Amino acid sequence: ETGVTQSPTHLIKTRGQQVTLRCSSQSGHNTVSWYQQALGQGPQFIFQYYREEENGRGNFPPRFSGLQFPNYSSELNVNALELDDSALYLCASTKAGRIETQYFGPGTRLLVL
Amino acid sequence: AQKVTQAQTEISVVEKEDVTLDCVYETRDTTYYLFWYKQPPSGELVFLIRRNSFDEQNEISGRYSWNFQKSTSSFNFTITASQVVDSAVYFCALSERTGNQFYFGTGTSLTVIP
Repeated sequence: ETGVTQSPTHLIKTRGQQVTLRCSSQSGHNTVSWYQQALGQGPQFIFQYYREEENGRGNFPPRFSGLQFPNYSSELNVNALELDDSALYLCASTKAGRIETQYFGPGTRLLVL
Repeated sequence: AQKVTQAQTEISVVEKEDVTLDCVYETRDTTYYLFWYKQPPSGELVFLIRRNSFDEQNEISGRYSWNFQKSTSSFNFTITASQVVDSAVYFCALSERTGNQFYFGTGTSLTVIP
């Protein structure tokens, strides 16, 4: 186990609703990245947080937002949910520095109806 | 353009056979890292191996080995004497010095038949 935890494990929402996903990083890691993995696809980078600020963003609209807290845990918020937001959301933590191995949590499976 | 390509979508082997998973990457950076991750049905991505762009020495770690060739931009991964527990989706990933994200391929689903 990596020590990265995510909650909840599963979630069902309806279109238009808002959702918050949570991630606790591995001990000693201060950088958290979020990925979206659609069924049958590889993970796609959403954004990364370092020192409580966004430190890079993938090709995702502004309704995907995040936070990082002083204890390095993080939240991913998605507003105005769409059916295509149904996916596995993965959180990864790493030590500071860009090229470091990312250690992933078990993910949150989101279904939007 | 896809930065990481895994052309094999599904592979099936019989237990104890060797299997090689292919990965081709694309980058303009001279400094980068390549990774292999395993994703069992539970969903968690498990880190397997990492290689940096300056070290083309190929290594063996237990039943795992890898072949990194910059000339062909390939980073292939071999499992020797496959076991049923190796059944999973395997992802190749690239991390560039100039960015802070991982680029993943589309994965190769490996089934080891007992």
